[in-house]
Amino acid sequence: ILNVEQSPQSLHVQEGDSTNFTCSFPSSNFYALHWYRWETAKSPEALFVMTLNGDEKKKGRISATLNTKEGYSYLYIKGSQPEDSATYLCAMDTGRRALTFGSGTRLQVQP
Amino acid sequence: EADIYQTPRYLVIGTGKKITLECSQTMGHDKMYWYQQDPGMELHLIHYSYGVNSTEKGDLSSESTVSRIRTEHFPLTLESARPSHTSQYLCASSEPTVTFNTDTQYFGPGTRLTVL
Repeated sequence: ILNVEQSPQSLHVQEGDSTNFTCSFPSSNFYALHWYRWETAKSPEALFVMTLNGDEKKKGRISATLNTKEGYSYLYIKGSQPEDSATYLCAMDTGRRALTFGSGTRLQVQP
Repeated sequence: EADIYQTPRYLVIGTGKKITLECSQTMGHDKMYWYQQDPGMELHLIHYSYGVNSTEKGDLSSESTVSRIRTEHFPLTLESARPSHTSQYLCASSEPTVTFNTDTQYFGPGTRLTVL
């Protein structure tokens, strides 16, 4: 059974704070790492796909890095805004069937 | 924006009833998936399909069944609902990403099922 773990489970920050959270995954059989953002009452939306060790992706104030050798990815949010409040999911693709998801990091940004 | 729809969004039903959760996508994707998620837990794959007339069970054992008679439609059925089926059910479809050997999944809004 594949274990994708995310930490912390939840996070409360003030508007303007920068924050980061971690996704850990087994480094064997690695194909790709996906990050999704899931706002309450909406559908999860794809943020990033990363495949290569050392990959860095950026979308506005959100960025992600990937270390496939040690099996982790970081997601960073610079200058958090209330609209960043959501659950951030990571998921690993091992090349078989569907993605294996972590349980998510729930971010709450207070104005 | 992804065009994948699920109905109903919320369902409260008594034990023993038969229910069907609907999922439709208008993107022409061959691959579709059903995930189950309990609060604070991971999304667990319960069913997937690679195309019409292709269905397979996922990693998490489920008493539900699925069918794929049309590309756009992937309904999930519970013949006799029980309180243990109370959960959130998410449907997804996917397409290969342009540059990587992996699929991007597009999700519906989910159905929150409560069985009394």
